[in-house]
Amino acid sequence: DGGITQSPKYLFRKEGQNVTLSCEQNLNHDAMYWYRQDPGQGLRLIYYSQIVNDFQKGDIAEGYSVSREKKESFPLTVTSAQKNPTAFYLCASSIAGRSEAFFGQGTRLTVV
Amino acid sequence: QQQVKQSPQSLIVQKGGIPIINCAYENTAFDYFPWYQQFPGKGPALLIAIRPDVSEKKEGRFTISFNKSAKQFSLHIMDSQPGDSATYFCAANGGGSNYKLTFGKGTLLTVNP
Repeated sequence: DGGITQSPKYLFRKEGQNVTLSCEQNLNHDAMYWYRQDPGQGLRLIYYSQIVNDFQKGDIAEGYSVSREKKESFPLTVTSAQKNPTAFYLCASSIAGRSEAFFGQGTRLTVV
Repeated sequence: QQQVKQSPQSLIVQKGGIPIINCAYENTAFDYFPWYQQFPGKGPALLIAIRPDVSEKKEGRFTISFNKSAKQFSLHIMDSQPGDSATYFCAANGGGSNYKLTFGKGTLLTVNP
């Protein structure tokens, strides 16, 4: 089945630790995105990448980092610099030049 | 700056009713306006989308109405069912080569039996 796979579904992090969220797609999409979702806040863009080895900051990039070494993969690292990391994180992808974005099932990160 | 404003925050209707969710945008360069449906604990799923060269688009029970001059668009759900209970997000893209989406804050729809 084609789609976007995010793992893990649930993740717990101790304060001061970095954690990496995985996002893999087999849709052959060029563009990939990371969004953060908080109750009542909608979806806010963290980072996006239009091609391999290139990515741009979104609206709330502080405290996050990404890499795009393969077309299929776009991992997100939540660093200790992110002051309020507890949220639902969503990865998406789209064909380059088109706006139809398809989402994974999300990773819920909780700081304990 | 909130570029896409969505209302209402929440909406309750009876089965068979027609909930209407509204969105307004500011950037006239936006040229793609999708609606997403999200169930609890799941990722959003693309429901229906419209481009500004048409004023209305229907897919099954879902209709988008688009008013370019007012910079507004809305989602109508005909003959709503309890299974339509979800959070709905409108969005708009950046226009031109900037195709990342900007989302509204969402509307929690409850359809009572």
